[in-house]
Amino acid sequence: EVQLVESGGGLVQPGGSLRLSCAASGFTFSSYDMHWVRQATGKGLEWVSAIGTAGDPYYSGSVKGRFTISRENAKNSLYLQMNSLRAGDTAVYYCARGVRYSSSWYESAFDIWGQGTMVTVSP
Amino acid sequence: DIQMTQSPSSLSASVGDRVTITCRASQSISSYLNWYQQKPGKAPKLLIYTASSLQSGVPSRFSGGGSGTDFTLTISSLQPEDFATYYCQQSYSTPPLTFGGGTKVEIK
Repeated sequence: EVQLVESGGGLVQPGGSLRLSCAASGFTFSSYDMHWVRQATGKGLEWVSAIGTAGDPYYSGSVKGRFTISRENAKNSLYLQMNSLRAGDTAVYYCARGVRYSSSWYESAFDIWGQGTMVTVSP
Repeated sequence: DIQMTQSPSSLSASVGDRVTITCRASQSISSYLNWYQQKPGKAPKLLIYTASSLQSGVPSRFSGGGSGTDFTLTISSLQPEDFATYYCQQSYSTPPLTFGGGTKVEIK
């Protein structure tokens, strides 16, 4: 079964750090771009970051310089290191698989999603 | 950044109704438009990619159309399991990849 399982969420103080993990199974992890998408409670979806098959990282402006995406293909795992956390980062964080329909990493859709992990930034 | 605007933000409909949701991009995105369905407490699910291609396993009552800046998601005959929130997402230009604000489909 194709599956993504996130972990690592929790309560952290403003300015603190947290590392999210996403374990993939049921597919050749190294062949896919991977993404993080977040959703604040009662709000819409916001793309956060992506990493290409070659390890090339991409970030939204709101997290660039604070978050670092990485992958470990040998462990079928995706990570998101989050530093200098703010109240506005409070959300459910989903990892998602990107399936390309063209040559560029962003010309794609998110076809598999994890169940999400909650990150709460509060004093 | 490309802004994606969905309308309406919510709608009420009955089982069996034909429902159409609109998504407008702030600039042309060709056909690089995806649609997702999200139910409360669940992860989003891909319905349509490249504006009109039906994702495997998605019922044929869902269809997508449009190109350039204006897109539609149509449910031909609304079923009880279709009550959810729907999001469009552009994959033409990045960063960032952007989503619409969502359309909540509720039971009338």
